[in-house]
Amino acid sequence: DQQVKQNSPSLSVQEGRISILNCDYTNSMFDYFLWYKKYPAEGPTFLISISSIKDKNEDGRFTVFLNKSAKHLSLHIVPSQPGDSAVYFCAARFYGKLTFGQGTILTVHP
Amino acid sequence: SQTIHQWPATLVQPVGSPLSLECTVEGTSNPNLYWYRQAAGRGLQLLFYSVGIGQISSEVPQNLSASRPQDRQFILSSKKLLLSDSGFYLCAWRKTDTGELFFGEGSRLTVL
Repeated sequence: DQQVKQNSPSLSVQEGRISILNCDYTNSMFDYFLWYKKYPAEGPTFLISISSIKDKNEDGRFTVFLNKSAKHLSLHIVPSQPGDSAVYFCAARFYGKLTFGQGTILTVHP
Repeated sequence: SQTIHQWPATLVQPVGSPLSLECTVEGTSNPNLYWYRQAAGRGLQLLFYSVGIGQISSEVPQNLSASRPQDRQFILSSKKLLLSDSGFYLCAWRKTDTGELFFGEGSRLTVL
């Protein structure tokens, strides 16, 4: 049972535009959500997170939105840059364990 | 500052051969440690986690095992590799207050 889903395997965006990456979850007990960025042949690196008691967290060009009623999480990148091209994973925490989505490949074209 | 390192970075092994991947963490004591696998076209799957020396929890039944002989050392092993064991293996430690995971560089395993 996939508790965390990223239904879009890939996303292509023009440089300077907004990138919106989506994530859905089923377990209402998740209390913390995170986004990771991964380049090929490297380990994922932490990007941004949000507690379940908040609905928005912003860090520079990155903003994460949480809609608990819809069990939906999104990551907005504005403006998108070619260096943002990578695989993005959302993750949700329950009792200290993180469950990851399948990942979305973001490609930002110059 | 905390660092995490895993090796080898790349490994090509025949079916039926043994496996040993090592992971060490520096700069933190008694970390929670994790082994994840990223198989082709799939997300990150949690394989094992450890809350202390000798304490291993397995998340999925499989051909692999894990051990934690020292506080900062986490080892992923197999006695006989299968083709389906191919993938990108990631070791991680968890920051206690936020639950944020910090990953190692990853180990690419190809079983032929």
